[in-house]
Amino acid sequence: ELKVEQNPLFLSMQEGKNYTIYCNYSTTSDRLYWYRQDPGKSLESLFVLLSNGAVKQEGRLMASLDTKARLSTLHITAAVHDLSATYFCAGTLGGYALNFGKGTSLLVTP
Amino acid sequence: DTEVTQTPKHLVMGMTNKKSLKCEQHMGHRAMYWYKQKAKKPPELMFVYSYEKLSINESVPSRFSPECPNSSLLNLHLHALQPEDSALYLCASSQEGSRETQYFGPGTRLLVL
Repeated sequence: ELKVEQNPLFLSMQEGKNYTIYCNYSTTSDRLYWYRQDPGKSLESLFVLLSNGAVKQEGRLMASLDTKARLSTLHITAAVHDLSATYFCAGTLGGYALNFGKGTSLLVTP
Repeated sequence: DTEVTQTPKHLVMGMTNKKSLKCEQHMGHRAMYWYKQKAKKPPELMFVYSYEKLSINESVPSRFSPECPNSSLLNLHLHALQPEDSALYLCASSQEGSRETQYFGPGTRLLVL
């Protein structure tokens, strides 16, 4: 079974600051996904990371994957209020099921 | 078009009611999914259809009955639900194969009284 752990689960940060969300997984994952969810809304696909050393960036968010350490990170640069949301990472063992972490609830304050 | 649509957006039903949730995608995806999400929790997979055939049933109670009439549509029939079934029900789709990114619909927020 693939277990996915995120930390922190809650994060309050000031606008303009940088921070990193960590996603550890228990066994080899076929790929690693990052999703964003706004309150009461659906999940938006942010990144899919396929191989060791993969790095993807979109705006103020950058995701990376270290398969040897079984670790993915989501780095936030110069946070703005619009980034406030819950961020989920999810792995897969190659089947259809996504194993989600518990999510990181991010609040960006002025 | 990268949109998955779901209807209704909100649903309130009694424990003796029968209702259905609907999901539609026009991206040519051949895999479709139902997830259940409780507040402050990650989504939990319920069912997977691949090429209109049920591929995965994650030990979901029989009061939930999925149906895939065609490659673009996915239904979830609800009967005799319990209050603890109140949740956000998310539909997703992906290209075939399990290695493809899943795209989620807006969800149906269900309240069972």
